[in-house]
Amino acid sequence: SQQGEEDPQALSIQEGENATMNCSYKTSINNLQWYRQNSGRGLVHLILIRSNEREKHSGRLRVTLDTSKKSSSLLITASRAADTASYFCATDNALANSGGSNYKLTFGKGTLLTVNP
Amino acid sequence: SAVISQKPSRDICQRGTSLTIQCQVDSQVTMMFWYRQQPGQSLTLIATANQGSEATYESGFVIDKFPISRPNLTFSTLTVSNMSPEDSSIYLCSVAGTVQRLDEQFFGPGTRLTVL
Repeated sequence: SQQGEEDPQALSIQEGENATMNCSYKTSINNLQWYRQNSGRGLVHLILIRSNEREKHSGRLRVTLDTSKKSSSLLITASRAADTASYFCATDNALANSGGSNYKLTFGKGTLLTVNP
Repeated sequence: SAVISQKPSRDICQRGTSLTIQCQVDSQVTMMFWYRQQPGQSLTLIATANQGSEATYESGFVIDKFPISRPNLTFSTLTVSNMSPEDSSIYLCSVAGTVQRLDEQFFGPGTRLTVL
């Protein structure tokens, strides 16, 4: 079954505006990671948030996690045309010392963000 | 973060043939994985590449179709066997368990495969 579901599926905004993308998941997790993918290329790792964290920042990115609602959001502030890409959330139930296949990720369907200049 | 390279970056293949994709990491990592991304879709895990032993496959993926090798901690290969047009996808390797960032998973640039 699909673990992560992003919404919206597509988002179009003007340069300078903020973009918010949401991700929901179904089972318990240990980590949630956000990735960016430009036009069918490889995935760029943006940020990891652990299940015991509620908010994390990295530059213009802000990620929140609400484990009670099994949801996360990614906020991109002051967007730029170069932010145009697909954004995916991915969850795992890896524990730092468990090793093995617990590190495997389950991906959401992604949000296609278009930032118009 | 780990630097990951994949070869080839893209290929166009004929039905019934096989293609082997290589994944090389610039540092030793604990985990290596192979994912498939079909056109317009999200990523689906094919298997976990285990060093020195058989890969662990996800439901719907079998060793005869996707044989995987991982001879050491920095290298893995995925073969797509007896290809059909339905195998046209982007294939991505990923790694986790680097020394600096244990839980984060990083992806290679992908191999775009088109099967005619």
